[in-house]
This record gives sequence, C-alpha cells and structure tokens, in this order.
Amino acid sequence: GAVVSQHPSWVICKSGTSVKIECRSLDFQATTMFWYRQFPKQSLMLMATSNEGSKATYEQGVEKDKFLINHASLTLSTLTVTSAHPEDSSFYICSARDPFEDTQYFGPGTRLTVL
Amino acid sequence: GQQLNQSPQSMFIQEGEDVSMNCTSSSIFNTWLWYKQDPGEGPVLLIALYKAGELTSNGRLTAQFGITRKDSFLNISASIPSDVGIYFCAGPKNNNDMRFGAGTRLTVKP
Repeated sequence: GAVVSQHPSWVICKSGTSVKIECRSLDFQATTMFWYRQFPKQSLMLMATSNEGSKATYEQGVEKDKFLINHASLTLSTLTVTSAHPEDSSFYICSARDPFEDTQYFGPGTRLTVL
Repeated sequence: GQQLNQSPQSMFIQEGEDVSMNCTSSSIFNTWLWYKQDPGEGPVLLIALYKAGELTSNGRLTAQFGITRKDSFLNISASIPSDVGIYFCAGPKNNNDMRFGAGTRLTVKP
C-alpha cells in the first residue's frame, strides 16, 4: 500500500514554543492531506483539510492561527503548533488521500508533549 | 462530527476465537474502509469496500459492504495476540472528508 511518513515521531517542547510537524506522501501525489489529533482512548478527530496550493479548511473549534497548515507541494504538508501549551499535548496524525484508490493512508503519527 | 456508529466499543476474547464488529450510518457511503491502529501508531488500512454487497477477504479478515450502503461488518477469524488494537470503520464524504467510527478496542488473551 501507499506510504505516508511523518516527522518527527515524537517531540517534547516547552510551553510557549512552536513545533512543526511534517507529513509526506512517498509514492503518490496527494492534492489533499488531512490532520487529525487523537487523545488517549479516543477516536481520531479531524482538525483540518490541507489543500495543495490553497488555504486549509479548518474544522469548527480548531484555531487556524494556532495550528498553521502549509501544503506547499503535492507530497508535503506541514502543521505548526504555535505557542504550544500543555493542553496541546496529543497524538497528531496526518493522512493523504490517494485520488485513484479513493482511500486515505495515514502517517505513523507524532506524539507531542508540551511541558 | 462522526456519523458512523461502531460497535462494540471493546471486546475481550480468547486467542483462537472469532471476532465480529460492525458499523452503521444514517447516510449512504460510496466507500467503506476498515483500519487498524496499534498503540502509538497511525491507522493502517485493512480492507476497502467499493460496491454494495461486496464481500472482501484479507487473510483472516473478512468485511462486507451492506446492500443499502449504510452498514458494514468486519470479521476476524481465529484471533491471535497480534490482532490486539483499535479497529476503525471509515467512509469518505464529499470526496475529501473522511468520517470515522469511534473504534472497537480488541483485547486478545493468550
């Protein structure tokens, strides 16, 4: 199956700093990527839809100025958590839509811990 | 928000037993997907269903897409310890939006 990578796999940062997470589709071009967050023992919650070459679409309740998304190419989307706080600690997962198979492939996730 | 109702929420079974979980929706989906998520990792696609009534197998896994396109089940036969994880059903809406079930947490006792 298709491969989606995420970097870093985990990050620990101090409160107030910004953290950038990268999501790459390795063997297909993805015009659309998605960013999810997952709290322990819960399902994935969609944060935003990242469209190549245009602004991201954010889900209700997700602050676009706090979670900056850039989809600069057909294989790369980045999520920047700005001025991170402990409540932002979570498991962040990206996915990329394969337009030919009408499926989504997920990255391995990034565990963010804000101290 | 989620539009897929997945059950059961959790299952505790003995190794070797068969498992069945299902997903229902009030709206029609053109595609149904089943994912498995291991602890600390991203979901991995298990089976994709595209046609109403379609029955698809992947090793010990079998999934069917309901005739009405509003439900699907996933069966795991002869469970083994590595089947432990969370299983999600999912369906794309409007081409770019994926809806997920709440997940079924499977525990397999050796």
